[in-house]
Amino acid sequence: EVQLVESGGVVVQPGGSLRLSCAASGFTFDDYAMHWVRQAPGKGLEWVSLISWDGGSTYYADSVKGRFTISRDNSKNSLYLQMNSLRAEDTALYYCAKDQGGILRVFDYWGQGTLVTVSS
Amino acid sequence: AIRMTQSPSSFSASTGDRVTITCRASQGISSYLAWYQQKPGKAPKLLIYAASTLQSGVPSRFSGSGSGTDFTLTISCLQSEDFATYYCQQYYSYPPSFGQGTKLEIK
Repeated sequence: EVQLVESGGVVVQPGGSLRLSCAASGFTFDDYAMHWVRQAPGKGLEWVSLISWDGGSTYYADSVKGRFTISRDNSKNSLYLQMNSLRAEDTALYYCAKDQGGILRVFDYWGQGTLVTVSS
Repeated sequence: AIRMTQSPSSFSASTGDRVTITCRASQGISSYLAWYQQKPGKAPKLLIYAASTLQSGVPSRFSGSGSGTDFTLTISCLQSEDFATYYCQQYYSYPPSFGQGTKLEIK
């Protein structure tokens, strides 16, 4: 059974930093691209970032480019999101999501999310 | 960036009804479209990809159609567990983008 478990979400002040983690199990982690997708309270879904199976390619939404960094450790079956220069508008539930294929950008499994609140 | 627009944003229906949700892309996306279902407090669940291919384990009452810019998600006979919010998503180009969601409520 595929499982994705996010952690690291907390309340942080504007301008602060945070690192989210996602522990994956139930599939061959290094066969798939992985994503972060977020959802602001009461709002819709917004794709944040993608990393290829080997970490060699990364992509970001314009809203986070230059502030967020996605990475992975295939030896630990783990995905990460380093978030710097946080803003109030980054407040959201952050989901880790598995790509359906290489880099198809279809999200076939999701974690339960970790909540990031940016507030003073 | 490709903008995805769903209609309606919300509506009410009854168990047993046939319902259709529409999704329109701001430019052609071929069949690079997925549909997700999200229930309150839960993560989204993939229902359909490639516009019309049912994800494994999804009931056959769900179906998708369309290509280019106009797409539909149809639920042929609503069940109580289908009341949720539905999102379309294009994966034709970066950034992948979602519609604003359609909330399906019980009448």
